[in-house]
Amino acid sequence: NAGVTQTPKFQVLKTGQSMTLQCAQDMNHEYMSWYRQDPGMGLRLIHYSVGAGITDQGEVPNGYNVSRSTTEDFPLRLLSAAPSQTSVYFCASSYRGTSGGSNTGELFFGEGSRLTVL
Amino acid sequence: SQELEQSPQSLIVQEGKNLTINCTSSKTLYGLYWYKQKYGEGLIFLMMLQKGGEEKSHEKITAKLDEKKQQSSLHITASQPSHAGIYLCGAPGAGSYQLTFGKGTKLSVIP
Repeated sequence: NAGVTQTPKFQVLKTGQSMTLQCAQDMNHEYMSWYRQDPGMGLRLIHYSVGAGITDQGEVPNGYNVSRSTTEDFPLRLLSAAPSQTSVYFCASSYRGTSGGSNTGELFFGEGSRLTVL
Repeated sequence: SQELEQSPQSLIVQEGKNLTINCTSSKTLYGLYWYKQKYGEGLIFLMMLQKGGEEKSHEKITAKLDEKKQQSSLHITASQPSHAGIYLCGAPGAGSYQLTFGKGTKLSVIP
């Protein structure tokens, strides 16, 4: 079982360059999301999607774009990388969104993508 | 917005000792997730608590949810080096798909 697959695992960019972090899941999950993890800040939600064609902003969306054209894929785009975007990025998915007050599904995480912006 | 505070931030224990990690929410808890992360790796799901008073165990790890205190505790019995890592709690907001995480507790187990 592949689960949630992120590519690349490591990337070094120069300020102003653009790139896309890829995320794919093979579990037919409706909900997908992107987090960034920084020392002392924990995990912070960037963007999320509750299904193909539907995306929404999380806590720290600035500087990032997402799209969800298929159920399986949820790429994260950095249009003009900045040193403040140096971080470890995690993609996650679940069968049902973690909607408060109702049964929720386990959130499956990818192994992370470590991005350095010089 | 909801905030989750974990305590302690870090913990060093001797192998075989018991330990407890706490996760306190600033708002009503509608469920609580516990994850473990090893350095440089992704998050591994440990367990999910949905109702106040609920208690779950997996191997030597027990987690409990106290709705009234808006708090969850994770207890490890007879710790082993394999328990070392960062433990994170996460919680959904009311009617929200967003999962908020605490900043994590770093656990080191000395053989």
